[in-house]
Amino acid sequence: SQQGEEDPQALSIQEGENATMNCSYKTSINNLQWYRQNSGRGLVHLILIRSNEREKHSGRLRVTLDTSKKSSSLLITASRAADTASYFCAPGGSNYKLTFGKGTLLTVNP
Amino acid sequence: EAGVTQFPSHSVIEKGQTVTLRCDPISGHDNLYWYRRVMGKEIKFLLHFVKESKQDESGMPNNRFLAERTGGTYSTLKVQPAELEDSGVYFCASSQGRSEAFFGQGTRLTVV
Repeated sequence: SQQGEEDPQALSIQEGENATMNCSYKTSINNLQWYRQNSGRGLVHLILIRSNEREKHSGRLRVTLDTSKKSSSLLITASRAADTASYFCAPGGSNYKLTFGKGTLLTVNP
Repeated sequence: EAGVTQFPSHSVIEKGQTVTLRCDPISGHDNLYWYRRVMGKEIKFLLHFVKESKQDESGMPNNRFLAERTGGTYSTLKVQPAELEDSGVYFCASSQGRSEAFFGQGTRLTVV
């Protein structure tokens, strides 16, 4: 299965702190995507990292990928209350299907 | 450019009734996906269209669910008859090739 498993399940931090969440998967991938879901709203695509990339930045987001360990991490720097959401990783393989885990629920306290 | 749009945003129906959800993908995206999230659980894949053809429908729960994509444009997902366990948020997504998938806001379905 390409399903990613996010860790930790829940994370609570203060505004301004950094948040790190991890994703592990079991099969070989072509890319890995991170998504965010705010309460009651749709999934928002954050970033895609390809299997031949090790690190990628987008604004306050930094994603790393270690294909030898089959793991990825998402770092959010200088967190804001608006970053409160569930975060999901979706490893992408030979097919087009995205498989999500249960996500990491991030709470940023003002 | 318009994103993926889903209708309705909320639907409350009684057990045994029929509900039809609609998804309009981003124009030009051949790939269209349906997902479902039951409260507290994972986001589960339902099926994948490439244009008007069903590429993978391995995630469809049972034959009460019917998805169509007329002419390779918008898609509908019909649940008939609806059961209590069908409640959840139904997401639609579209992509062009192997690029990132863009999701709609979802339809929150409540079966009472």
